[in-house]
Amino acid sequence: AQTIHQWPVAEIKAVGSPLSLGCTIKGKSSPNLYWYWQATGGTLQQLFYSITVGQVESVVQLNLSASRPKDDQFILSTEKLLLSHSGFYLCAWSLDWGSQNTLYFGAGTRLSVL
Amino acid sequence: GEQVEQLPSILRVQEGSSASINCSYEDSASNYFPWYKQEPGENPKLIIDIRSNMERKQIQELIVLLDKKAKRFSLHITDTQPGDSAMYFCAASEGGRALIFGTGTTVSVSP
Repeated sequence: AQTIHQWPVAEIKAVGSPLSLGCTIKGKSSPNLYWYWQATGGTLQQLFYSITVGQVESVVQLNLSASRPKDDQFILSTEKLLLSHSGFYLCAWSLDWGSQNTLYFGAGTRLSVL
Repeated sequence: GEQVEQLPSILRVQEGSSASINCSYEDSASNYFPWYKQEPGENPKLIIDIRSNMERKQIQELIVLLDKKAKRFSLHITDTQPGDSAMYFCAASEGGRALIFGTGTTVSVSP
């Protein structure tokens, strides 16, 4: 069975400080990977997606970057946090690239920027 | 790109009654429509989905209807229970590259 693990569970960071969030998928080779962001009570906004190692596509510009250093790992980062970065960050994976694009979400990282 | 509108944003129902959430989409090429349930502080979980080759799907108390001509789909929760209280999101696939989510509906079921 596939498992998705996100770390850390929560972070409290200062404005201007760096950030690195991680996501690991086990039990599935070459998954499609995604980062989503959710403001409190808000919708799910896709940030990045990756279909293979070393390849990441940006969907929205939020002064964030993402990398896929390994087949099973997806990293979200920034060098300087903004207040607007606060929210719930969700990593997700899907089986394929076609019409049956069911997303399976990790438990998420709750980020508070002060 | 695809946009998904979801209404209502808040839905309060009595236990045992039905709850209905409506979504509309713009891209006629969208062909996959899942629904996710998110409990407070948790991640969204898939509860039911429908593909464009179907008009209706039911899993226990959940019914999804799809009207491709009108570009609308809806979720109906029959015989609601307190455990159905949560945030619900509809979504539509954008040519398979991404799921575009609606703005969410907070469902509150009171005893």
